[in-house]
Amino acid sequence: GQQVMQIPQYQHVQEGEDFTTYCNSSTTLSNIQWYKQRPGGHPVFLIQLVKSGEVKKQKRLTFQFGEAKKNSSLHITATQTTDVGTYFCVEVRAGGTSYGKLTFGQGTILTVHP
Amino acid sequence: NAGVTQTPKFQVLKTGQSMTLQCAQDMNHEYMSWYRQDPGMGLRLIHYSVGAGITDQGEVPNGYNVSRSTTEDFPLRLLSAAPSQTSVYFCASSYSIGANTEAFFGQGTRLTVV
Repeated sequence: GQQVMQIPQYQHVQEGEDFTTYCNSSTTLSNIQWYKQRPGGHPVFLIQLVKSGEVKKQKRLTFQFGEAKKNSSLHITATQTTDVGTYFCVEVRAGGTSYGKLTFGQGTILTVHP
Repeated sequence: NAGVTQTPKFQVLKTGQSMTLQCAQDMNHEYMSWYRQDPGMGLRLIHYSVGAGITDQGEVPNGYNVSRSTTEDFPLRLLSAAPSQTSVYFCASSYSIGANTEAFFGQGTRLTVV
């Protein structure tokens, strides 16, 4: 079945450094969503990307969808301790009987040292 | 709005016991799903439902049953608990029509089977 591979699994940064997590698929993705899960919490929706080559920004966060719709990335500029958590990319099926079905990547656990 | 409500938050079961994890949403979402989260494996889909009376299996359905008699409720039943079912369980809901498929997650149920 469809698999979404996410790297790296862990990332430790000093506060103020940048951070990037990558999501890759061997097949074309319908839509990509990104979620953040704080330690001990539940996943919270960040953004959805639909179009080839799409770039969206939320303050210090930049999300990209590859031209071939086979990869995506999340970049955080100048990390803060509030950015700590696990970031998941999620494939969203856009058609057929699996409409709306979410397939999670393994997640990247971000630690920010003050 | 309460959003997605899961009960209980914590549960300890003995091997062989059965129990039901409750999930309710008040957003009139058609799509509901159950995931389990294990370290290093992201969230894996157990069962999902695209509307009342309709359910289907996800990636890891064995040992679990679901039903969807109303739009609001989607309980997950463990038939005979096993230590391999020790995990954190999340219920999620979303609209299933159109591009607005942001998923809202409950707070999670931390289950330990001894």
